Amino acid sequence: NAGVTQTPKFQVLKTGQSMTLQCAQDMNHNSMYWYRQDPGMGLRLIYYSASEGTTDKGEVPNGYNVSRLNKREFSLRLESAAPSQTSVYFCASSRMDRGLGSPLHFGNGTRLTVT
Amino acid sequence: DQQVKQNSPSLSVQEGRISILNCDYTNSMFDYFLWYKKYPAEGPTFLISISSIKDKNEDGRFTVFLNKSAKHLSLHIVPSQPGDSAVYFCAARGTYKYIFGTGTRLKVLA
Repeated sequence: NAGVTQTPKFQVLKTGQSMTLQCAQDMNHNSMYWYRQDPGMGLRLIYYSASEGTTDKGEVPNGYNVSRLNKREFSLRLESAAPSQTSVYFCASSRMDRGLGSPLHFGNGTRLTVT
Repeated sequence: DQQVKQNSPSLSVQEGRISILNCDYTNSMFDYFLWYKKYPAEGPTFLISISSIKDKNEDGRFTVFLNKSAKHLSLHIVPSQPGDSAVYFCAARGTYKYIFGTGTRLKVLA
């Protein structure tokens, strides 16, 4: 089982360049999420999609856009990369069954460096 | 404003002893709490969770305790093993959103 797949695994950008991080899940989950992990800051929520067709801002949305392409795929776009966006990015998904509780399942991350 | 806090950045424990990791939260609307384990260069993996209507949940060597009046969550690992050495994150769920703490690095000494 693939679970949550993120591409690419590594990326180096110059300041001002753009790129899209891809995420796909094969667990038929309703909700999908993008987090960034920085030293001493833990995992911070960038954007999430509670269900297909909806997206909402998380804790640190500035400088990012997202697209929920279909139920499986949720992409994160950096329109004009900045050094402050150097981080490890994680995509996650959840069944989001509020009655039973539903953990997040994470991909293995994309390590992004902006120079 | 940090809604979920892990005040201990690191913890060292002898193999075979108990590891206790702590987490505090501020939002009384959180309804579901989770613990994740993370190894370097991997994504976080789910360990154990607890609903806000319970105060304890066990799964093998892992037990999570929830004290709602104190807005405090803890993870107990007994007995601790060297393979438990990792970064542990607590998380809390609001409406569709999962908010994470900053993590505690656990080192289990053989």
